[in-house]
Amino acid sequence: EVQLVESGGGLVKPGGSLRLSCAASGFTFSSYSMNWVRQAPGKGLEWVSSISSSSSYIYYADSVKGRFTISRDNAKNSLYLQMNSLRAEDTAVYYCARDPSSGGSPAHFDYWGQGTLVTVSS
Amino acid sequence: DIQMTQSPSSLSASVGDRVTITCRASQSISSYLNWYQQKPGKAPKLLIYAASSLQSGVPSRFSGSGSGTDFTLTISSLQPEDFATYYCQQSYSTLRTFGPGTKVDIK
Repeated sequence: EVQLVESGGGLVKPGGSLRLSCAASGFTFSSYSMNWVRQAPGKGLEWVSSISSSSSYIYYADSVKGRFTISRDNAKNSLYLQMNSLRAEDTAVYYCARDPSSGGSPAHFDYWGQGTLVTVSS
Repeated sequence: DIQMTQSPSSLSASVGDRVTITCRASQSISSYLNWYQQKPGKAPKLLIYAASSLQSGVPSRFSGSGSGTDFTLTISSLQPEDFATYYCQQSYSTLRTFGPGTKVDIK
């Protein structure tokens, strides 16, 4: 069974940092691109970042570029999101999501974790 | 960046109704369009990918169509478990934007 479990969320002050983790199991993690998607309280979904299976390709939303860093450790079946210079508007539930597409087929997110809440407040 | 819009933003419907949600991209995205369902407090669930491909395990009452800039999600006969918020997402660009969502609630 595919499982994605996020951790690392919590309360942080503006300007602070936080590192989120996503532990993957039930599939060959090293074969899949992975993503972070967030959802502010009462708001819609916002794609944050993606990383290819071998970390060769990394992309960020404009809203987090230069502040957030996505990475992965295929030996540990884990995905990470290092968040620096946090702002109140970064407050959200952060989900990790798997992308099963390959070979140029359209990307889509077929499995999602349960999410971890990040609150940025003084 | 590619912007996504959805209409309506919300709708009220009854069990058994046929429901149609529209998604529009700010530029052509071919068939690189996905649909997700989200219930309160839960993670999103993939329904349709590549505009019209039904994700495994998703009931056949859900269908998707469209290409280019205009897309549609149709629920042929609304069931009680279908009351939720629906999001479209484009994957044509490496910046994979979502639409603002359409909330479907009970009339």
